[in-house]
Amino acid sequence: GAGVSQSPRYKVAKRGQDVALRCDPISGHVSLFWYQQALGQGPEFLTYFQNEAQLDKSGLPSDRFFAERPEGSVSTLKIQRTQQEDSAVYLCASSLGSRGLSDEQFFGPGTRLTVL
Amino acid sequence: KQEVTQIPAALSVPEGENLVLNCSFTDSAIYNLQWFRQDPGKGLTSLLLIQSSQREQTSGRLNASLDKSSGRSTLYIAASQPGDSATYLCAVSPASGGSYIPTFGRGTSLIVHP
Repeated sequence: GAGVSQSPRYKVAKRGQDVALRCDPISGHVSLFWYQQALGQGPEFLTYFQNEAQLDKSGLPSDRFFAERPEGSVSTLKIQRTQQEDSAVYLCASSLGSRGLSDEQFFGPGTRLTVL
Repeated sequence: KQEVTQIPAALSVPEGENLVLNCSFTDSAIYNLQWFRQDPGKGLTSLLLIQSSQREQTSGRLNASLDKSSGRSTLYIAASQPGDSATYLCAVSPASGGSYIPTFGRGTSLIVHP
């Protein structure tokens, strides 16, 4: 595709619901990042994949957060039992290089999650 | 832990002015630094990427410089236009082996009014 796409663009969940956020990276990009962005803040790292391998998940805030990229392309970020503090924009980025940031990161439009 | 600071936090200027946005970082052991713009409700758009061995990068009316030893980068915007209004973020990636985690600043919110 032409760029990184994410779906849904907006998600409203009731507290306690599970949600799944999807990221389609640029075709052929090895590296994939997930970030969480609160209002007025810069993106905060959540997790990083190199192909299908999750090399770093140190930024995931709790064990309610889970990410996967089973075939090394599309990735899903799942949040179980959502809480109000999970409300944020979730951004996905991909880059061509295998080091992760040896190339430019290209971002998707984000998914705005609101937990009521 | 790397800390990235962007000054000013907000800026409002008339059209046509030349601008300088600042990004400072505490750990000079970086791999590269990237400048992005973010429009309201949108994702980040890459503007310029500077490798640690480079001093500057240019794209159109944008010029970014890097002084790794002093922990600073500046983004220069020439002849600003209303379409430049956005939030500008810098991100620093570490040089230390095995770590891929970039650190972002909080951004500078720019308004260019006609």
